[in-house]
Amino acid sequence: GENVEQHPSTLSVQEGDSAVIKCTYSDSASNYFPWYKQELGKRPQLIIDIRSNVGEKKDQRIAVTLNKTAKHFSLHITETQPEDSAVYFCAASYSGYALNFGKGTSLLVTP
Amino acid sequence: SQTIHQWPATLVQPVGSPLSLECTVEGTSNPNLYWYRQAAGRGLQLLFYSVGIGQISSEVPQNLSASRPQDRQFILSSKKLLLSDSGFYLCAWSLGETQYFGPGTRLLVL
Repeated sequence: GENVEQHPSTLSVQEGDSAVIKCTYSDSASNYFPWYKQELGKRPQLIIDIRSNVGEKKDQRIAVTLNKTAKHFSLHITETQPEDSAVYFCAASYSGYALNFGKGTSLLVTP
Repeated sequence: SQTIHQWPATLVQPVGSPLSLECTVEGTSNPNLYWYRQAAGRGLQLLFYSVGIGQISSEVPQNLSASRPQDRQFILSSKKLLLSDSGFYLCAWSLGETQYFGPGTRLLVL
């Protein structure tokens, strides 16, 4: 089955800096890669996703890149703000059927 | 628009007691439904998923079971809870690739 590795497990940045979280996947058939943000005690919320026919996608301060050959994808957050502090999860699936999640990255943005 | 509900929001149960968690989705038909468990400070573990009424696939063998008695209702059950069943239980739905999570049930087994 699919195995998703996520790094780092914790990340601390200063407000205004960029943050990068990386994930690798094992199943070359995976073609859908979402990222979720989970604030303390709340449900995960989808923040951005990318499909395997696209190499990069951007939404304001958030971008995701995908390297199918290397089987890795990354989340980039620019101009970080304290409200970006949360746990971020990457996931991979084939046609979204069953998402396989990474173990999460706890991001702390300090003022 | 679609809405997903879960109840109860929190639950404290003794070891060996039964469990029933309910999830319902509004505003859509024939969604795929999922149960995930998140242990404290950990990732999301897929427990069950369903593509239709009465169709349940189990991802992890354990003392939990799931049922889908109606199109938009998904139930997670256990006959006897274990301490290790404590966690945050999340229901999710999808029509295509994107999964949307419910508010979750926080379960503490003592």
